[in-house]
This record gives sequence, structure tokens and C-alpha cells, in this order.
Amino acid sequence: GQNIDQPTEMTATEGAIVQINCTYQTSGFNGLFWYQQHAGEAPTFLSYNVLDGLEEKGRFSSFLSRSKGYSYLLLKELQMKDSASYLCAVRRSNDYKLSFGAGTTVTVRA
Amino acid sequence: DTAVSQTPKYLVTQMGNDKSIKCEQNLGHDTMYWYKQDSKKFLKIMFSYNNKELIINETVPNRFSPKSPDKAHLNLHINSLELGDSAVYFCASSQDSGTGVSPTNEKLFFGSGTQLSVL
Repeated sequence: GQNIDQPTEMTATEGAIVQINCTYQTSGFNGLFWYQQHAGEAPTFLSYNVLDGLEEKGRFSSFLSRSKGYSYLLLKELQMKDSASYLCAVRRSNDYKLSFGAGTTVTVRA
Repeated sequence: DTAVSQTPKYLVTQMGNDKSIKCEQNLGHDTMYWYKQDSKKFLKIMFSYNNKELIINETVPNRFSPKSPDKAHLNLHINSLELGDSAVYFCASSQDSGTGVSPTNEKLFFGSGTQLSVL
């Protein structure tokens, strides 16, 4: 099975940086995804990591350490529109099933 | 021009009824999914179809029956609805089915969700 843990809530100020951590335990690892979900809307793909290291995409970056079972999503220069839930999802190598964490709700304050 | 569209957006019904949710994707993807998101926001996979064939069938009551008439459509029929079925149901699609050959082809595109309330 898979256990995926991430904080429930985080609050930050507009213009600041927030780091959302995700730890996981899985019987076989084949990639980690981050999705963004605004309230009442569908999740949308943000990033994908399969090798250790940092992937940067504009204001958003995602990091992975497979040996530690750890990833983080870094949101820079926060904007009000970044207020959303951020879902960490891990894919298993034996059957390629994707399991989601419960999500971290980020609130950006002015 | 919606990539993944599902209907209805809201569904309110009585216990014991039978209902269906429809999903269509115009992305030309081979794989489609049904996910359930409960009140605690956990997104759990229910079913996955690749080119009309069932490839993932999680532990879901057999009151839930998916049907894929073609690879662009995946409908979900629910019999004898129960209070615990209340949730948001998301349809999704991806280019590949998760073979690991090209993982970025497996990013999911979600529909806007169907909020099911069973009274």
C-alpha cells in the first residue's frame, strides 16, 4: 500500500514563499505528481518528478528525494490566485496506480 | 472546447435510486478514469479503462458499474444509492495508461466534477 502525508493547511502572505512537504511510503516508486485544486474545481497538473532533484517551472518548483521518501512543492512570489489545495500523488511501480494525499490547503493573505 | 466534460454537475437524489454520470473527452486520450473525492478531500481511484477495456477496478461496491462505449466516453452507473455514496466524482483522462514508458503522458486531465448528494 501507500501512505502519503502532507500538512493540512498553510497560510502565507502575498509575495512570500511557501514550501509544502510531502512524505510517502510505497512498496515501489515510479514517480510523484503535484496537482493544484481550487475550491469547487477540478485538480490540474502542476509538476512531475521521477529522479532526485529540483524541477523548476516558473514560480513553482518541485523537489524529490527518493531515498528519503520526500518531496516538496515550492511556491514563490505568492499571488492571491495561488490560494488552493495542493495534492501530492505517488505512482506505484508494480501496477502504476496513482495514489493521492489528502491535500494541503494554502491560503494567501494580502 | 472543454477537454474532459462530465454531466451533471450536481446530482441530488434519494437513497435507493439508480443514477448515471456521463463523461466525454475530446483529447484523443487512450485512458479514462473515475475518481471519488470524499468530504476529507481524499481523491481515490475507482476505475480505469484503456481503449474501452477495464484495467483498474479498485475495491468498489458492485453497485457501481462503469461503461465505456468507446475510448472517448466513460460513464458511471450507480444502483441502489446509499448515504455514503455522497461525494464529488471526477472523471479524468490521460494519454497513456501508466506503463511507465513516458510518465509525463500519464498526467491526468480532470473533468469539473459531479457533486452527488444522497438524501
